[in-house]
Amino acid sequence: GQQVMQIPQYQHVQEGEDFTTYCNSSTTLSNIQWYKQRPGGHPVFLIQLVKSGEVKKQKRLTFQFGEAKKNSSLHITATQTTDVGTYFCAGGTGNTGKLIFGQGTTLQVKP
Amino acid sequence: KAGVTQTPRYLIKTRGQQVTLSCSPISGHRSVSWYQQTPGQGLQFLFEYFSETQRNKGNFPGRFSGRQFSNSRSEMNVSTLELGDSALYLCASSLRTGEWPQHFGDGTRLSIL
Repeated sequence: GQQVMQIPQYQHVQEGEDFTTYCNSSTTLSNIQWYKQRPGGHPVFLIQLVKSGEVKKQKRLTFQFGEAKKNSSLHITATQTTDVGTYFCAGGTGNTGKLIFGQGTTLQVKP
Repeated sequence: KAGVTQTPRYLIKTRGQQVTLSCSPISGHRSVSWYQQTPGQGLQFLFEYFSETQRNKGNFPGRFSGRQFSNSRSEMNVSTLELGDSALYLCASSLRTGEWPQHFGDGTRLSIL
């Protein structure tokens, strides 16, 4: 079945270092979304990418959608302790509410 | 505007029992999706409801079922509970099916003894 792989599973960085997580889908996606989940919390929507090759920025966060619409990345510049949490990519499958989630990357930031 | 409300927050059941979880979407949202989150399998799609109709279903056994009411509130039911059903069950709502973003509730933590 359709799968979205996400790496790495865990990442420990020193505050101020950069961080990147990558997603790869087994099939072409209609869109990809990114969510952040803090420990004990629920996923919170960050952004949606729809167009091939799309790049979007939110302050220190940069999101990319691959040309083939099968991969995506999230890059955080100069991490802060508030960036701690698990980042999920989720592939949208056409005009439905079904999301295929990656396994998530858990980010720890040492002050 | 109130967010997605899920009740109860925590539930403890034993094997063989059944359970019903409730989700009230954001006012005006008509699409409700359910997800199961476990440490081993991550977030997995269960089903989606829109206008009281199931629009999409994930790869879960028939013990997992759901429904949506005319006010868009949704319930999911799990019968003959198994130990492996222990998980965080998350509900997400959006304006319409396929509309983004999806807004998640805090979830119901289900523990099976």
